[in-house]
Amino acid sequence: EVQLVESGGDLVQPGGSLRLSCAASAFIFSNYWMSWVRQAPGKGLEWVANMKQDGSVEYYVDSLKGRFTISRDNTKNSLYLQMNSLRAEDTAVYYCAIQGTTSAYTPFHDWGLGTLVTVSS
Amino acid sequence: DIVMTQSPDSLAVSLGERATINCKSSQSVLYNSNKKNYLAWYQQKPRQPPKLLIYWASTRESGVPDRFSGSGSGTDFTLTISSLQAEDVAVYYCQQYYGTPFTFGQGTKLEIK
Repeated sequence: EVQLVESGGDLVQPGGSLRLSCAASAFIFSNYWMSWVRQAPGKGLEWVANMKQDGSVEYYVDSLKGRFTISRDNTKNSLYLQMNSLRAEDTAVYYCAIQGTTSAYTPFHDWGLGTLVTVSS
Repeated sequence: DIVMTQSPDSLAVSLGERATINCKSSQSVLYNSNKKNYLAWYQQKPRQPPKLLIYWASTRESGVPDRFSGSGSGTDFTLTISSLQAEDVAVYYCQQYYGTPFTFGQGTKLEIK
């Protein structure tokens, strides 16, 4: 069974940085586009970024471009999200999700349980 | 950005009855070259991640009960639960993957009447 396990969420002060990780197993990680999606407490879903299988292409929601960076290490079956200059409004559960193999424009077939990031002084 | 608008925001349906959730996109998500609608539906139960139910507007994900169905094309879509079960209580989201940024509807909370 596909497994995605996010980690790295924490309480961080405004202006701080955090790096999230997503460990993938039970599927060929290097074959899939991967995404980060976040959900603020009690709110809806917001797509953050995705990355192509070989790491050569990445897309971001405009509002986070420049502060957040997605990356992956196919040798470690892992996806990452580097978050800088964090703000209170970045407080959310961050999910990693598997997309498809053929293009960036595919649904989110499987999701991890998420990791909570809280930005507060 | 493509704006996704769901209706209603909340819905209460009796067990065994039909539940219908609508989703409207601000522009068409039908890709003319392959005639596919880049539209998905997700179910999210409390304290759980979302779960993919339907993609390409009407294709049921493996393992999803056949009481769930999706329809529509272009800008107007519907998720139908033909006979509501207690375990279907959740928030439902539509999502377009036609273009980045991928965007979700605001969610529809489904409860038992």
